[in-house]
Amino acid sequence: EVQLVESGGGLVQPGGSLRLSCAASGFDFSSHWMHWVRQAPGKGLVWVSRINSDGTGRDYAEIVKGRFTISRDNGKNTVSLQMSSLRVEDTAVYYCASWDVPKQDFDIWGQGTKVIVSS
Amino acid sequence: DIVMTQSPLSLPVTPGEPASISCRSSQSLLFSNGNTYLDWYLQKPGQSPQLLIYLVSNRASGVPDRFSGSGSGTDFTLKISRVEAEDVGVYYCMQALHLPYTFGQGTKLEIK
Repeated sequence: EVQLVESGGGLVQPGGSLRLSCAASGFDFSSHWMHWVRQAPGKGLVWVSRINSDGTGRDYAEIVKGRFTISRDNGKNTVSLQMSSLRVEDTAVYYCASWDVPKQDFDIWGQGTKVIVSS
Repeated sequence: DIVMTQSPLSLPVTPGEPASISCRSSQSLLFSNGNTYLDWYLQKPGQSPQLLIYLVSNRASGVPDRFSGSGSGTDFTLKISRVEAEDVGVYYCMQALHLPYTFGQGTKLEIK
């Protein structure tokens, strides 16, 4: 079965850190670019970060640049998002998503992991 | 950043009736290779988003043919020919021409 499963969410205080992980299965993970997209409570979708297939290229939304780091392990079929200096406004459900390069779309989404930043 | 604007934001529809959602981008989404980088996603209640349409008008695998996408440049439309109860949720357009990829605000389709 083709799937992405996120983990690592939870409650963290402002200024704290958290590491999200996303495990892929059922498809050729190492050939796919991977992204993180978040959704604040009751709000829309916001793109956060992406990493290319071999992990040598990374991009970030301005609002997380310098605070978040995306990485991947193609041997373990996982992509991670290390989040530091967390702010209340980072509270959201974080989705990992696989990018289909020929079709230019997010073809596979995980179920999401919830991050709550609160004191 | 490219701004994506959807309308309407709320769309009550009687089952069996058609529905249409508009999406406008603040700049053309046409790339030099001839592709236009506009996708549509549906987020059903309590679920993750799912791909409906890619590159303006191509239905994703398993998407019913009552869904269609059209448009060019900066103006795009998602149409549902006959709405069914399972179509409820929030519809998002998204541009993938330039980083950061940006989504519309979402259109909430509900059944009357």
